[in-house]
Amino acid sequence: EDQVTQSPEALRLQEGESSSLNCSYTVSGLRGLFWYRQDPGKGPEFLFTLYSAGEEKEKERLKATLTKKESFLHITAPKPEDSATYLCAASHGSSNTGKLIFGQGTTLQVKP
Amino acid sequence: NAGVTQTPKFRILKIGQSMTLQCTQDMNHNYMYWYRQDPGMGLKLIYYSVGAGITDKGEVPNGYNVSRSTTEDFPLRLELAAPSQTSVYFCASSLDIIAYEQYFGPGTRLTVT
Repeated sequence: EDQVTQSPEALRLQEGESSSLNCSYTVSGLRGLFWYRQDPGKGPEFLFTLYSAGEEKEKERLKATLTKKESFLHITAPKPEDSATYLCAASHGSSNTGKLIFGQGTTLQVKP
Repeated sequence: NAGVTQTPKFRILKIGQSMTLQCTQDMNHNYMYWYRQDPGMGLKLIYYSVGAGITDKGEVPNGYNVSRSTTEDFPLRLELAAPSQTSVYFCASSLDIIAYEQYFGPGTRLTVT
């Protein structure tokens, strides 16, 4: 069964304390691995798409990487405004509909 | 562009009532999706559409119906509301299956009592 699992469920960091969020996936024929940011009371906001193992993408303090079994979202020197829930999602090869399988999310809190 | 808009933002229903959640996108996207999000459970796909006139079931379709008469609109109908349908509902759209990052609306918070 296709599955996406994120860890940890919650993460508390001090401002400037770098860390990584993990997304493990079991998906037949991965077509794309997506990262979203979700603020409380709002819809998910697209961050990155990764298509193949070894690929990396960066945006400000965030860098996403992909291996054959997992993806990492690295947060370098985080600021309080980076506090949010980060969602990982995968699209599998047999889907020609763009359907995504979401993980349960990691809630990040960055304290000043 | 307004992107993906949803109405209403909040709604309280009594058991057995019906309602329609509205979703509109102005990006000329072919693909549209309805998800529900429960605490700690991630997003679950309810229904999706690959174009006007074409819809299909997702992971959790029971108790819901959809229609897609235009490219812009993708309403979700709840018939005979049940407490299990208490959730936050998100509509999303994407251009195609090549550049298929999905763009989400702000959500509708529904409570069934």
